[in-house]
Amino acid sequence: AQSVAQPEDQVNVAEGNPLTVKCTYSVSGNPYLFWYVQYPNRGLQFLLKYITGDNLVKGSYGFEAEFNKSQTSFHLKKPSALVSDSALYFCAVRDEGYSTLTFGKGTMLLVSP
Amino acid sequence: KAGVTQTPRYLIKTRGQQVTLSCSPISGHRSVSWYQQTPGQGLQFLFEYFSETQRNKGNFPGRFSGRQFSNSRSEMNVSTLELGDSALYLCASSPALGGGGEKLFFGSGTQLSVL
Repeated sequence: AQSVAQPEDQVNVAEGNPLTVKCTYSVSGNPYLFWYVQYPNRGLQFLLKYITGDNLVKGSYGFEAEFNKSQTSFHLKKPSALVSDSALYFCAVRDEGYSTLTFGKGTMLLVSP
Repeated sequence: KAGVTQTPRYLIKTRGQQVTLSCSPISGHRSVSWYQQTPGQGLQFLFEYFSETQRNKGNFPGRFSGRQFSNSRSEMNVSTLELGDSALYLCASSPALGGGGEKLFFGSGTQLSVL
C-alpha cells in the first residue's frame, strides 16, 4: 500500500522569508512524487514531480522540492515567499507499478505581508 | 487547448436524491479520474476510467458509480445521497492510463451540498 503524510495543517510565513511545506511518504517500491497547489475555488495545479535522478527538483513559480530516500521525505521549498503563494498545497505519491495517485490531506500556506 | 471542464459548478440536493456530475477531459486525453475532496480527509480517490472501462476503484460504497463515453467524457453518479456526501468532486485527466510519472490535469470541480 502507498501513503503520504503532511504533518502540518497550516504553515505561516512572512513575505520574503523562506518557506518549507513538509511531506513524508510510504511505498513498497520506488516512489513517484508530486506537489500540487490549489487556489480558492479552483482545481489542483501541478507544481513539480520527482521521478528519478537529481534529488533537487525545480518546478513552477520558483518552488523546488528535495527528495530524501533515507528519510522518505519530499519537502516543498521556496527561498523567498510571496503573499500570492498563499494556497492549499498537496503532496502525492504513486508506487512504481501502481497507477493510482494517493494525496496527502493538504497544508494551508499563509504568507503575511 | 481547453482544460478539463466540469459541470455543473455547484449543486444543491436533498438527502435520498441522486446526482450526476459531468467531466470533459482535455482533448486527446483518454484517462479520467475522479476524486472527492473534503476539509477533513483531503483528496480521496473514487475511480479511474480509460477507454470506457473502469480500471481502478477507491474505497467508496456502491452508491458511487461512473462511466466513460467513447469521446472520453465521463460522468459520475451518486445515488441515495447522504449528508456526508457533501464535498468538492474533482475530475482529472491524463493522456494515458495513470502510472509512473504521469501527471494529472484537474478541473475546477463540482461543489455538491446535500441538505
